[in-house]
Amino acid sequence: DTAVSQTPKYLVTQMGNDKSIKCEQNLGHDTMYWYKQDSKKFLKIMFSYNNKELIINETVPNRFSPKSPDKAHLNLHINSLELGDSAVYFCASSQDLFGTGSLYTFGSGTRLTVV
Amino acid sequence: GNSVTQMEGPVTLSEEAFLTINCTYTATGYPSLFWYVQYPGEGLQLLLKATKADDKGSNKGFEATYRKETTSFHLEKGSVQVSDSAVYFCALKSDMRFGAGTRLTVKP
Repeated sequence: DTAVSQTPKYLVTQMGNDKSIKCEQNLGHDTMYWYKQDSKKFLKIMFSYNNKELIINETVPNRFSPKSPDKAHLNLHINSLELGDSAVYFCASSQDLFGTGSLYTFGSGTRLTVV
Repeated sequence: GNSVTQMEGPVTLSEEAFLTINCTYTATGYPSLFWYVQYPGEGLQLLLKATKADDKGSNKGFEATYRKETTSFHLEKGSVQVSDSAVYFCALKSDMRFGAGTRLTVKP
């Protein structure tokens, strides 16, 4: 079974559209994260939720909104997509905040292309 | 604030060459340090970690020693293989910020 699963794996959409990326983990972890990886492979944390509570909210546009219906899910919704949003988005989870337990488990990524 | 600085890539080596990827950090206290590896088309995987000063993390022939005197956690491998080609990330536990990543390509 996949520990951290993201859907979709690939997403191609036009500028101005609204899209969502879903993430689910079956590890029983309390904390989940969204990272953005740009074309130069730089990995930047965007959000972190601990037990459905927003813990980290980095400087990202308001068009990005995370939603955590329960601690096993952390979805990322993006409004009014722009060309610069094209990147690979990674979901991750850890047993607790910043991985004091079993450290991080990453999903395989969602490649978003805005045209 | 906390930060991680990694040596810029890309790094290209021949098989069986010695590898060093530099990582230095700035942090309050002595947070745990990690190296993650990202193989093509995949997510990040933990490669090794060190939780306190002078600890040495090791895995798959890779090693890194937590050196507080130089605030460094350099990744080394004595003999790289083609299958080691990937992007390597250094990270701080305190807020899980990653370095910029170093792409390693190993040629046969």
